[in-house]
Amino acid sequence: SYELTQPPSVSVSPGQTASITCSGDRLGDKYAYWYQQKPGQSPVLVIYEDAMRPSGIPERFSGSNSGNTATLTISGTQAMDEADYYCQAWDSKTAKFGGGTKLTVL
Amino acid sequence: EVQLVESGGGLVQPGGSLRLSCAASGFTFSSYAMSWVRQAPGKGLEWVSSISGTGGSGSTYYADSVKGRFTISRDTSKSTLYLQMNSLRAEDTAIYYCAKQPTLAVSANSWYFDLWGRGTLVSVSS
Repeated sequence: SYELTQPPSVSVSPGQTASITCSGDRLGDKYAYWYQQKPGQSPVLVIYEDAMRPSGIPERFSGSNSGNTATLTISGTQAMDEADYYCQAWDSKTAKFGGGTKLTVL
Repeated sequence: EVQLVESGGGLVQPGGSLRLSCAASGFTFSSYAMSWVRQAPGKGLEWVSSISGTGGSGSTYYADSVKGRFTISRDTSKSTLYLQMNSLRAEDTAIYYCAKQPTLAVSANSWYFDLWGRGTLVSVSS
């Protein structure tokens, strides 16, 4: 079955750029989606269709998807961005999630 | 206010059944596909099931892990989504989230979740 692989953790200093990757076979041929989940809260969609931001999501969140890798980039990372991030894609009439990446803002 | 509110979770013995509900408000429920996504304690997200909007094909989709045991359905008159869970196992223990999809039909280019509920906890244990 189709698998999406994310690094378990990423650390970034406040104000710097954080990049979280998501790898899957020919992922670039599909749309990638990204969700943010803070402790005790429900997931929130932050990127859809590879690089689109829903209303209300800050401009510092951006996305790209090519080849086998999709990337979520957070520019000027803030303490409030500390959370778990999940990538997601469609495959064979199912939704697949990556294992999640814990972003720590040191 | 646009929101989804789940209910029906609780403690159930292995082999038992439970029906989850998700009350939608603030949007035209019938016009959107809906899904259930679960999260085991301390673990990641796992898609469970999806159903197209009313007036669509009525299609339903299930993860292999729940196929044959879970049934998704919706009642447009009540703006409510359901998940009937039978033959429950310990590994079904999780927070179950109701999630809205952005289109009527469940399709490859719109299989994502733009609104989530707060979830309801299902615990399967003897």
